[in-house]
Amino acid sequence: EPEVTQTPSHQVTQMGQEVILRCVPISNHLYFYWYRQILGQKVEFLVSFYNNEISEKSEIFDDQFSVERPDGSNFTLKIRSTKLEDSAMYFCASSATAFFSDIQYFGAGTRLSVL
Amino acid sequence: AQTVTQSQPEMSVQEAETVTLSCTYDTSESDYYLFWYKQPPSRQMILVIRQEAYKQQNATENRFSVNFQKAAKSFSLKISDSQLGDAAMYFCAYTRLGGGATNKLIFGTGTLLAVQP
Repeated sequence: EPEVTQTPSHQVTQMGQEVILRCVPISNHLYFYWYRQILGQKVEFLVSFYNNEISEKSEIFDDQFSVERPDGSNFTLKIRSTKLEDSAMYFCASSATAFFSDIQYFGAGTRLSVL
Repeated sequence: AQTVTQSQPEMSVQEAETVTLSCTYDTSESDYYLFWYKQPPSRQMILVIRQEAYKQQNATENRFSVNFQKAAKSFSLKISDSQLGDAAMYFCAYTRLGGGATNKLIFGTGTLLAVQP
């Protein structure tokens, strides 16, 4: 069965450094998402992306964050200058459509630790 | 704003027994979808079951079924004949109809289910 893959599984970085989290969505999917979960808190929506544009972003997704689909297979989340509070599990997801009943398929996540 | 609440951080069930995980939500929308996702340790979240708010019949998928109470805004998951492989974090999630080119999910905090042999 097709899967969403995320790399790396764990990323450790120093505060102020830039990180790029990578995702390979399911190949025929057109809609891509990033979510994050701070330890002990809810999984939160960050951003959705379609047709090389951001469709929607949350208030968490400030100027420090950016997303990109640099080629036909990868979908990346960049954090420009990491803060301690960016430490979280980051999940990538993809779906074939944006219809509300459509299933989003998730990757296993990248645990980001900012020291 | 829509919210999803899972009041049971952890649950435990004996193998072959039945367990019910609770979820409540708050919304002013009339049509929406509710989901239960399962996340085994270090694995992807996968969809267990989904329910459209307009459908009165409760969804079932093999050993998994829901009790959807729209008026009470309650969406519980029942796992029958629990198996060791059911051990995972279970997330309840909500998405609403319409709103443009996105169907972002709103999640609860999750319930960690342990299955005892």
